[in-house]
Amino acid sequence: GAGVSQSPRYKVAKRGQDVALRCDPISGHVSLFWYQQALGQGPEFLTYFQNEAQLDKSGLPSDRFFAERPEGSVSTLKIQRTQQEDSAVYLCASSFGRGEQFFGPGTRLTVL
Amino acid sequence: KNEVEQSPQNLTAQEGEFITINCSYSVGISALHWLQQHPGGGIVSLFMLSSGKKKHGRLIATINIQEKHSSLHITASHPRDSAVYICAVRSGRSQGNLIFGKGTKLSVKP
Repeated sequence: GAGVSQSPRYKVAKRGQDVALRCDPISGHVSLFWYQQALGQGPEFLTYFQNEAQLDKSGLPSDRFFAERPEGSVSTLKIQRTQQEDSAVYLCASSFGRGEQFFGPGTRLTVL
Repeated sequence: KNEVEQSPQNLTAQEGEFITINCSYSVGISALHWLQQHPGGGIVSLFMLSSGKKKHGRLIATINIQEKHSSLHITASHPRDSAVYICAVRSGRSQGNLIFGKGTKLSVKP
């Protein structure tokens, strides 16, 4: 595709449910980033992949958060046993190396 | 203290006004980004710069590395410029991930 796509765009989960958020980066982009944006705040870094290798997961807020990119293209962010504080917009961005990052539209997660 | 601070937090302007948004940062950086975010979440990259000044249409971005400060200027503002403008830096120590400011919400009235 022409840009970064994310699905679903909106997700409502009951507290305690597991969710999976998908990111399709721009074809050929080596670097993939996940960010979390709480309401009224700037995005915050969660994790970074270079191809299939997860090189930095220092921003993941708890061990309930898990991300993978098994074939170096599509990535999935999984949140287990969701809590209300997980409600946020989850943004994915990709880049070719350390250049400009291209952002997806985000997935808005609401945990009830 | 946040590593990236933006001011003002909110800005209302009349159409045609010259607008300046400021960004200060406290870490060593390899690049600074200005981003635009419209309601609904989509983020668009406006500029990536590491020195000097860049211009694109009515938008101008400047950076002063010594003072750890950047500005985004919009000339002849228009209601369609209404959005949240976010400053983000790539620290020299990072793998490439960005550290974001909280954003400046701009509203341009006709």
